[in-house]
Amino acid sequence: EAAVTQSPRNKVAVTGGKVTLSCNQTNNHNNMYWYRQDTGHGLRLIHYSYGAGSTEKGDIPDGYKASRPSQENFSLILELATPSQTSVYFCASGDRGRDTGQLYFGEGSKLTVL
Amino acid sequence: GDSVTQTEGQVALSEEDFLTIHCNYSASGYPTLFWYVQYPGEGPQLLFRASRDKEKGSSRGFEATYDKGTTSFHLRKASVQESDSAVYYCALRGDYGNEKITFGAGTKLTIKP
Repeated sequence: EAAVTQSPRNKVAVTGGKVTLSCNQTNNHNNMYWYRQDTGHGLRLIHYSYGAGSTEKGDIPDGYKASRPSQENFSLILELATPSQTSVYFCASGDRGRDTGQLYFGEGSKLTVL
Repeated sequence: GDSVTQTEGQVALSEEDFLTIHCNYSASGYPTLFWYVQYPGEGPQLLFRASRDKEKGSSRGFEATYDKGTTSFHLRKASVQESDSAVYYCALRGDYGNEKITFGAGTKLTIKP
């Protein structure tokens, strides 16, 4: 069974503070993704990665950094958190290749920036 | 860039009704298309996918046919049940080795018993 684990599951941060959301996968997948989920916008891609050491910008990367230090771990970093970054964040992993592409999601991290 | 449009933000039906959720996409080449379902408190999970023109994907009574001519991948089910209440997402993965996966805005389906 595919397994993607996110931490923390809930986080309250102050404006201007630094927030790190962590994601670990035990699927040995090459690709990992960070999305945020907001009502009316669905899932929007922030950053993704093809493997250890690589990060790519998604559709809404401004205000976020990503780090992929190993195959298993992918972090999302908010250096200066703002209230507009209040959201639910989902991490996912997936295989490479045209006929796969299935993503396995974590359970989400709810971030509130006050 | 690639994009996915779901026209229905919310759909409310009664049990045994017929369901259609519309999905249109914009992408070059032959993207892979997906339908995901998300239940409260969980991450989305794959319902099914299709990667070629006229290919039909199906699972749990849901189905959709890849139509490159109309750039559509509409989700249908003949008879919905209360347990189908969830949020449904259409998504695509680009062609030409592109590993980026783009989701639509989602459709919240509520089934009244």
